[in-house]
Amino acid sequence: DSGVTQTPKHLITATGQRVTLRCSPRSGDLSVYWYQQSLDQGLQFLIQYYNGEERAKGNILERFSAQQFPDLHSELNLSSLELGDSALYFCASSVGGTGNQPQHFGDGTRLSIL
Amino acid sequence: AQTVTQSQPEMSVQEAETVTLSCTYDTSESDYYLFWYKQPPSRQMILVIRQEAYKQQNATENRFSVNFQKAAKSFSLKISDSQLGDAAMYFCAYRSLKAAGNKLTFGGGTRVLVKP
Repeated sequence: DSGVTQTPKHLITATGQRVTLRCSPRSGDLSVYWYQQSLDQGLQFLIQYYNGEERAKGNILERFSAQQFPDLHSELNLSSLELGDSALYFCASSVGGTGNQPQHFGDGTRLSIL
Repeated sequence: AQTVTQSQPEMSVQEAETVTLSCTYDTSESDYYLFWYKQPPSRQMILVIRQEAYKQQNATENRFSVNFQKAAKSFSLKISDSQLGDAAMYFCAYRSLKAAGNKLTFGGGTRVLVKP
């Protein structure tokens, strides 16, 4: 158990819909990261938050947005969903925003678009 | 931008034997971190081992060790005394020290099959 909690574990929805994925980091971790794992693109970094502020941005589509709340949990919002958005979405957390602290991953949310 | 390449889509090893997974990366930076993550069928991402580029000594964690060749930009993972529980996808990852944030750049993965 990494201590990172992601909900829901599975999500099935239709094209054009909007979903919210939730992540609670490990106790004491200030940084949250979102990654997308798909057959086409592999594992890709989407976005990082540190203590409520956006720290780094990767290949995140404009239809996707994220935020980190004062209690440090994070949400990833995906809108106008397309078939290609079907993927496993991971949240990870670390103590700091930089440096050599390892990132601890949650179990992921499996998103299926029908 | 940094890229990470894992040239072996799949490797097979006999139980108790040794297998080595290859990873090469492209970067113009001199300081960075490298990681190996394991993803079993349960789909969790589990940190196996990490290496700081400024350290010449290769990292070791129990049956897992790396061969870090900085000049060649190579970072291979050796799994000794392979066990059935080692069967998984293994991902090599790079983290810059210069770029903003702490993102990981992953390779495409190598699937390890362990034969009893």
